[in-house]
Amino acid sequence: GNSVTQMEGPVTLSEEAFLTINCTYTATGYPSLFWYVQYPGEGLQLLLKATKADDKGSNKGFEATYRKETTSFHLEKGSVQVSDSAVYFCALSPDYKLTFGKGTLLTVNP
Amino acid sequence: NAGVTQTPKFQVLKTGQSMTLQCAQDMNHNSMYWYRQDPGMGLRLIYYSASEGTTDKGEVPNGYNVSRLNKREFSLRLESAAPSQTSVYFCASSDYTGLAGTETDTQYFGPGTRLTVL
Repeated sequence: GNSVTQMEGPVTLSEEAFLTINCTYTATGYPSLFWYVQYPGEGLQLLLKATKADDKGSNKGFEATYRKETTSFHLEKGSVQVSDSAVYFCALSPDYKLTFGKGTLLTVNP
Repeated sequence: NAGVTQTPKFQVLKTGQSMTLQCAQDMNHNSMYWYRQDPGMGLRLIYYSASEGTTDKGEVPNGYNVSRLNKREFSLRLESAAPSQTSVYFCASSDYTGLAGTETDTQYFGPGTRLTVL
């Protein structure tokens, strides 16, 4: 079956620090890979996605590269801001349905 | 263009009561979904509707029923609420057309309904 494993949090960083949140997956076929972000009290928003191997998704300074050989889709940002504090979910979708990781809480302190 | 809307935002029920969570989307999407979010569990799919007139069970369907009323609306019903159904419920939609690895597999989420069952 399909599954997503992402690093457990919480992750606490100082402003302008480098961020990596690890995500690995198990899937049949060729799924799309996603990072969703959930700000406090809100629903999930798509942060970025990649649809095939070696694709890089990017948005708002965040990046992730679809690595088929390591079945990974790690999220990175070079310099985090307080406003990036949120829960980040890695997910995959081989068809209609999304399979999510458990989420990683990121707190960025000024 | 409101995207995906959900009502109510908050609800408190007693064990055994019933209620219906409403969801509507204005993006003309074919597929709609209901998820529940519990601490440390991520989001788990309850039911989904790949197209108008069809519904299918997801990972955790027990205790729930759904109705795809039309292309815009997809409701989730709890017939006899239990404390284990205390959760945050999210509705989502996508325009999935059967082609994996395309833009159509992105899901768009509503703001959620926070349900407490006492």
